Order: sequence, then C-alpha cells, then structure tokens
Amino acid sequence: GAGVSQSPSNKVTEKGKDVELRCDPISGHTALYWYRQSLGQGLEFLIYFQGNSAPDKSGLPSDRFSAERTGGSVSTLTIQRTQQEDSAVYLCASSADSGNSPLHFGNGTRLTVT
Amino acid sequence: GENVEQHPSTLSVQEGDSAVIKCTYSDSASNYFPWYKQELGKRPQLIIDIRSNVGEKKDQRIAVTLNKTAKHFSLHITETQPEDSAVYFCASFEQAGTALIFGKGTTLSVSS
Repeated sequence: GAGVSQSPSNKVTEKGKDVELRCDPISGHTALYWYRQSLGQGLEFLIYFQGNSAPDKSGLPSDRFSAERTGGSVSTLTIQRTQQEDSAVYLCASSADSGNSPLHFGNGTRLTVT
Repeated sequence: GENVEQHPSTLSVQEGDSAVIKCTYSDSASNYFPWYKQELGKRPQLIIDIRSNVGEKKDQRIAVTLNKTAKHFSLHITETQPEDSAVYFCASFEQAGTALIFGKGTTLSVSS
C-alpha cells in the first residue's frame, strides 16, 4: 500500500505567518511521530501520538508549535508566528504500534521562513 | 527521558574496509534498537533492528550487536561500498508506549 504521505513538500513563508503541515500515515498504523531536521543535523523529536492516548508533547520547542491527530489517522502540525529558526525539514513517521515496531518516514516538508 | 549518544559523528573508510558505529542509551528498560540510513536529500530508512532478547543480528553485510549490561549497541558494516555513504542514525525506545529517540547521526564516507 501507500507509504506515509506529507504535504506540502516545500513551503516558503514570511516570518510571523502561521503554517500547517499535513501527514497521512500508513493505513492502520496507530503510532504517529513528528520530527524536525535542521540542515545537516539529527532528528529532533517533536510530538508522538499513540491511538487514543494523550499525545507526548515533550519535544515541542515552544508554545508556537502544536499538533493534532483527527480520527486516529491524519495529523496536522501547526507553527504559529513562524521565526527564521523554524526553517527545517519536518518529518512525519508512523508505525504499526508503539515500542517495538519500525517507523516508516514520509518524505518530509521543507519549511523556509524568510 | 531516554538519552541516546552516538559516535563517531563522522567516519571515513576505504572501500572494502569495515565500519563500526556505536550508540549508548540511558534507560535500562529499553527493548528495541533500530538503525536508519539517510541518503542525501532523502528520508531515513530502516536498515536493521534488534530486540532485547537477542545479542546479535545479521543481514548480509550489516550486523547489529547489543550489550544490555553496558547499555550499548553497535552497527557493523563489512566490505563497505561507495553506496554505503550516508548518514546513519541509531535510536531507542524508552519503553513501549513512548517516543523513539534518535542519536545525532554518523556521516559515513566510503571512498573507492
């Protein structure tokens, strides 16, 4: 079946504007993750959803960042009042369950804040 | 929370040599340890993983070893080829039901 799908693939926005990034996980996957990867850097954990449990938001860098997952499927990451340091690739991943299953990554959204 | 340390940050080898990347983790309850390969401009992809009930796993030229007592696990690539050049990430779950935390990555360069 289809893999993890992210949209848009590229987003250029002006400083101070809000942006929404979308992730469609693999059908049936209960766990969904968001990571941020700055140029040449590692995978910074942002937020994690597992089924109907409360999300683990411990990685969100500021209160400008939020995410939701509707109906246990599609997820949206929202960044309010974007700053230049928010420029990065935002990667979404899903897995069949938590704790013991491989993550499948999408191709990411490259966000550029000018 | 879980802390994963990875080294070296960069590794250069000649084609045909072996490469070893090591990661340490902090949570003794961790039980799943994957390795991902990320080529330039592409998404990370799983290359091998190991669960805590085994000490070693091999898949052709790639192997992973796990030492639960010392809380470290290593990726071994034998007979390296130029196409092995990429960034490699280790990761660990703190325990079931929590987020997967990644090491900072190792840039492997294989020269022919």
